[in-house]
Amino acid sequence: EAQVTQNPRYLITVTGKKLTVTCSQNMNHEYMSWYRQDPGLGLRQIYYSMNVEVTDKGDVPEGYKVSRKEKRNFPLILESPSPNQTSLYFCASSPKVMNEQFFGPGTRLTVL
Amino acid sequence: DQQVKQNSPSLSVQEGRISILNCDYTNSMFDYFLWYKKYPAEGPTFLISISSIKDKNEDGRFTVFLNKSAKHLSLHIVPSQPGDSAVYFCAATGLYNFNKFYFGSGTKLNVKP
Repeated sequence: EAQVTQNPRYLITVTGKKLTVTCSQNMNHEYMSWYRQDPGLGLRQIYYSMNVEVTDKGDVPEGYKVSRKEKRNFPLILESPSPNQTSLYFCASSPKVMNEQFFGPGTRLTVL
Repeated sequence: DQQVKQNSPSLSVQEGRISILNCDYTNSMFDYFLWYKKYPAEGPTFLISISSIKDKNEDGRFTVFLNKSAKHLSLHIVPSQPGDSAVYFCAATGLYNFNKFYFGSGTKLNVKP
């Protein structure tokens, strides 16, 4: 089944404790992206990747890192999480840039 | 400042009637627009898109209209069904910065049986 998977689905952590949210797609898509969803703000793009080893900042990249070592994986790294990073996170992928994106199920992160 | 705006947080419609969801954008360089639907506890799913060279695109019960001069697009659902109850997001991207996507804040549609 074609899909985007994210892990974990739920995470509660404390300020400053490094964490990684994994994202994987099995559709051989070139473009991958991370978003956060907050009430009243919709989805905001954090980082995106055009292909392996090609990543760039979205609208709200502060406090986040990403890597794209393999085509299928695009992990989101929070080196030192803070409470303002409490949010619902979505990973997405698409064949190319100007295409519809396929979204993962979301990761709800709470930083205490 | 948000470049894509959905000014109606919610909309309630009777089953069988038309649902019209609106979206405004500020950046005239946007030239590709998409609508996504989102159910609770799931990721958004793609619904329909439109390029700026068109002013209308239809797919079954869903039609998207684009008014470039007004920087406005709308999604029409006819007839509305209870299963259409979800949050709808519009999104935009553009050739000048085509790697990035900008989303609105969403409109929650409730279709009453």
